[in-house]
Amino acid sequence: SQQGEEDPQALSIQEGENATMNCSYKTSINNLQWYRQNSGRGLVHLILIRSNEREKHSGRLRVTLDTSKKSSSLLITASRAADTASYFCATDAGQGGSEKLVFGKGTKLTVNP
Amino acid sequence: DTGVSQDPRHKITKRGQNVTFRCDPISEHNRLYWYRQTLGQGPEFLTYFQNEAQLEKSRLLSDRFSAERPKGSFSTLEIQRTEQGDSAMYLCASSPWVLAGVDEQFFGPGTRLTVL
Repeated sequence: SQQGEEDPQALSIQEGENATMNCSYKTSINNLQWYRQNSGRGLVHLILIRSNEREKHSGRLRVTLDTSKKSSSLLITASRAADTASYFCATDAGQGGSEKLVFGKGTKLTVNP
Repeated sequence: DTGVSQDPRHKITKRGQNVTFRCDPISEHNRLYWYRQTLGQGPEFLTYFQNEAQLEKSRLLSDRFSAERPKGSFSTLEIQRTEQGDSAMYLCASSPWVLAGVDEQFFGPGTRLTVL
């Protein structure tokens, strides 16, 4: 079963606009990660945020984590056509849990030039 | 090469045949993971290794699936008596060992399996 659920399922924006994707999960976690996947390719790690962190930045990416609401958001600022991809959140199983990642179904982002 | 590699990249087989995929992780990584991904879905965990030990298997991994990592380096995933429902992208990932939780995973390009 998939713990993370991304919202929206699909998002289409114009180049230069910001894109926000949300992720909700069900159980406690050690960390939450975001990955990007270009069509038919492997996944690329974007950012990892630990359960004791609330916000993290990496270049044009900003991730927030609200453990009380079991939710996270990924913001991509000043989007580019090259940002077109599917974005997945992934969580581990928290204290004493399985040492694997559980992925959501992803948000498909299209950035129009 | 510093990335995770998978071979083959594409495999077309007939129902009932056996297939084997190979994954070469980043050399210093202790952990190796296999995932399966179908169209429009996120990757689903199949199994993972810590060095040569297979520490967890998903219920998705039926008796027809077997994975090995004999020397703690490369890994193979074999599917016996393939079924059309096995058609998917099979992804391998590696990561360093961490004290708790799961660290950043480095993914290979995947092997796309089509069962006719």
